[in-house]
Amino acid sequence: GAVVSQHPSRVICKSGTSVKIECRSLDFQATTMFWYRQFPKQSLMLMATSNEGSKATYEQGVEKDKFLINHASLTLSTLTVTSAHPEDSSFYICSARDAGHLISPLHFGNGTRLTVT
Amino acid sequence: AQSVTQLGSHVSVSEGALVLLRCNYSSSVPPYLFWYVQYPNQGLQLLLKYTSAATLVKGINGFEAEFKKSETSFHLTKPSAHMSDAAEYFCAVSDSGGSNYKLTFGKGTLLTVNP
Repeated sequence: GAVVSQHPSRVICKSGTSVKIECRSLDFQATTMFWYRQFPKQSLMLMATSNEGSKATYEQGVEKDKFLINHASLTLSTLTVTSAHPEDSSFYICSARDAGHLISPLHFGNGTRLTVT
Repeated sequence: AQSVTQLGSHVSVSEGALVLLRCNYSSSVPPYLFWYVQYPNQGLQLLLKYTSAATLVKGINGFEAEFKKSETSFHLTKPSAHMSDAAEYFCAVSDSGGSNYKLTFGKGTLLTVNP
């Protein structure tokens, strides 16, 4: 089945530093990837839609200058949390859809637990 | 606009008992509906999906769900719970099957299975 690899699984960083999270589709091409944020015991909140070769589309209330998204190829999207602060600590999950299948479900990475100290 | 309501943030069943997780949706167009499962500190795994074909959808791990348009529901069931079913379950809805469709998730239901 379709596999999405997300790296790193856990990261701890100091306040003010930047962190990059990678999301790769391993056995399919993904023209569109989605980045979610999940707070403890809550649902997933869509942050942005990453489109290969073009700018990401951010959801209302998400700071695009703080959460930089790059989708340089059909198998890789990255999320960079810039100048991280403790309130950015969360579980970030990426997902991707197989571009070769209509109504393909989203395939999710295993998430990245970000802790900002 | 579309939305999903999962009734019951926590459901507890005994091993071997019926599992019923409730999901109601709101959508202005015929919806696509999904159930995902999440184990601790992991991403989401697709259990099953409804895409306007058969109203009774069978998924992995013995789960199934029935789409009922008149009740705007898509409840998830499993005849006999197993300890390994303990996890968080999310219902999700999309109003489009196009390449850029987005999913709207419910708040999730935590399923615990007692021995």
